[in-house]
Amino acid sequence: KAGVTQTPRYLIKTRGQQVTLSCSPISGHRSVSWYQQTPGQGLQFLFEYFSETQRNKGNFPGRFSGRQFSNSRSEMNVSTLELGDSALYLCASSLGQEGEFFGPGTRLTVL
Amino acid sequence: GNSVTQMEGPVTLSEEAFLTINCTYTATGYPSLFWYVQYPGEGLQLLLKATKADDKGSNKGFEATYRKETTSFHLEKGSVQVSDSAVYFCALSDNAGNMLTFGGGTRLMVKP
Repeated sequence: KAGVTQTPRYLIKTRGQQVTLSCSPISGHRSVSWYQQTPGQGLQFLFEYFSETQRNKGNFPGRFSGRQFSNSRSEMNVSTLELGDSALYLCASSLGQEGEFFGPGTRLTVL
Repeated sequence: GNSVTQMEGPVTLSEEAFLTINCTYTATGYPSLFWYVQYPGEGLQLLLKATKADDKGSNKGFEATYRKETTSFHLEKGSVQVSDSAVYFCALSDNAGNMLTFGGGTRLMVKP
């Protein structure tokens, strides 16, 4: 079974731009979660989608948004990028409560 | 709210040494507990899990026991290898969907 895939793997943007990251979960997994990883703040939960509905949301500003499609693929969008948004963005999928399986991440650099 | 505290690293060991990485948590109810490992340049890999008190998770020689009385989930391995060098994250899920709360991570370096 293919693992969680994320595109693109690397991205460079400038302040004020917006960005869209994509995630394809493991086949059959309906839950997709997004996390931000930075050296200063560690791993922080952004949001979780299940069957196209946002089920949980972390403590991030409204510039961070996401959605899930009927095939369970998910996208997250960050608008009006700030320098502090530079991070590794990790997507994870899950079948139930057995634990989440992570993709390799998208490394976003904001200049 | 939920929180996870794990020992700060780096932890440096010689090959075949015994490993313990401490992890304690604060949560309401009965969370599920996990250990994840991150190798350089990669995402997180689920190493082991435990879903209720006194459960022992194990995988690849690593073990951790869910101790509700001490709110702990310490990671142990009897004999580490150079290939175990990575960052280890303790995490919990309070079962309200899939929303992991992570500890700060512990870097393990194993020298030959």
